[in-house]
Amino acid sequence: AQSVTQLGSHVSVSEGALVLLRCNYSSSVPPYLFWYVQYPNQGLQLLLKYTTGATLVKGINGFEAEFKKSETSFHLTKPSAHMSDAAEYFCAVSVSSTGTASKLTFGTGTRLQVTL
Amino acid sequence: DAGVIQSPRHEVTEMGQEVTLRCKPISGHDYLFWYRQTMMRGLELLIYFNNNVPIDDSGMPEDRFSAKMPNASFSTLKIQPSEPRDSAVYFCASSLRVEAFFGQGTRLTVV
Repeated sequence: AQSVTQLGSHVSVSEGALVLLRCNYSSSVPPYLFWYVQYPNQGLQLLLKYTTGATLVKGINGFEAEFKKSETSFHLTKPSAHMSDAAEYFCAVSVSSTGTASKLTFGTGTRLQVTL
Repeated sequence: DAGVIQSPRHEVTEMGQEVTLRCKPISGHDYLFWYRQTMMRGLELLIYFNNNVPIDDSGMPEDRFSAKMPNASFSTLKIQPSEPRDSAVYFCASSLRVEAFFGQGTRLTVV
């Protein structure tokens, strides 16, 4: 079975500062990895995903993440935080041998606060 | 496409009443997932369907919960009877390949 650990339930950064949200996974087979963002009273929106190929993946809103198999990590970064980035971020893992959808296992989420 | 559509957005009901949550997936998607989000337990998968057939319902908390997908464009999640501990946000998501698209959720409050 797969699992996800997000380090830090709350992260606070200043506007313009680097954003780093940490995610470690556990999976017995090569995983698919995702970052989702949730704004208040909204559903989850996909930021980016890793399936195969290039280990550095770029997503929407200037976010990117790097898959590091040796560290079982998939940390999310953004060079310069904006006030509009304040939200809850979820790392998720799924496993699929056929390239089709599979159930997602989510981390507990990290709430990002951006201050002036 | 309008995305995954859930109804109602908010539901307040009394303990013991039946509650039905509805979901319309994105047209053409062949996977449908029901998740529940609470402060205590985070996001939990309840059940998912592939081509309208339930594949994994191991996350359904107890027999009071049931889900159906009578056709490719509609699914329901029913709780009967409802209890206060069922209060949560329930999300429906659909997928064609790897990426899942989520609806806006239904906030259920059982008093």
